[in-house]
Amino acid sequence: GENVEQHPSTLSVQEGDSAVIKCTYSDSASNYFPWYKQELGKRPQLIIDIRSNVGEKKDQRIAVTLNKTAKHFSLHITETQPEDSAVYFCAASIVNGNQFYFGTGTSLTVIP
Amino acid sequence: GAVVSQHPSRVICKSGTSVKIECRSLDFQATTMFWYRQFPKQSLMLMATSNEGSKATYEQGVEKDKFLINHASLTLSTLTVTSAHPEDSSFYICSAAAPGLAGVYEQYFGPGTRLTVT
Repeated sequence: GENVEQHPSTLSVQEGDSAVIKCTYSDSASNYFPWYKQELGKRPQLIIDIRSNVGEKKDQRIAVTLNKTAKHFSLHITETQPEDSAVYFCAASIVNGNQFYFGTGTSLTVIP
Repeated sequence: GAVVSQHPSRVICKSGTSVKIECRSLDFQATTMFWYRQFPKQSLMLMATSNEGSKATYEQGVEKDKFLINHASLTLSTLTVTSAHPEDSSFYICSAAAPGLAGVYEQYFGPGTRLTVT
């Protein structure tokens, strides 16, 4: 089955700096990679996703890159703000499939 | 966007009793619902996957007789924790999935249920 690894587990950055979270996956059949943000005590929310037919996707300050050959994908947050502080989860899935495999999460703290 | 509700949001029960948690997709039909357990500052641990009208598929190590899952309709799934013990205290989150654009299954999470077993 699929195995998703996520690093780092914790990350602290100064406000305004960039944050990068990396995930690797093992199953080459995975072709859909969503990222979720979970604020303390709240539900995970989808913030961005990427499919394997593209290498990069950007939405304002958030971007995701995908390297299919190396089987890794990354979340990039630029100009971080305190409200970006949360736990971020990556996941891997297959288009038309209903199995999601989550990474272990990264606790991001943005220091004002 | 799609909304998933979960009830109750918090529940405290005594050891040995059973607790039922409901998960509803409010504005879409969910072909699949997932149940997760989350410990403080830890990742989501998938407990089981349930498709409407069929038996749930449990992950390894999850006792199906203890965590009963019923998915009677495309909008409702229930998780019953039977004979609860203090070690079952946790945050339980459901999610509902349905095919979105171009066949991608989009997953929407419920707000979670905090279970405390005394």
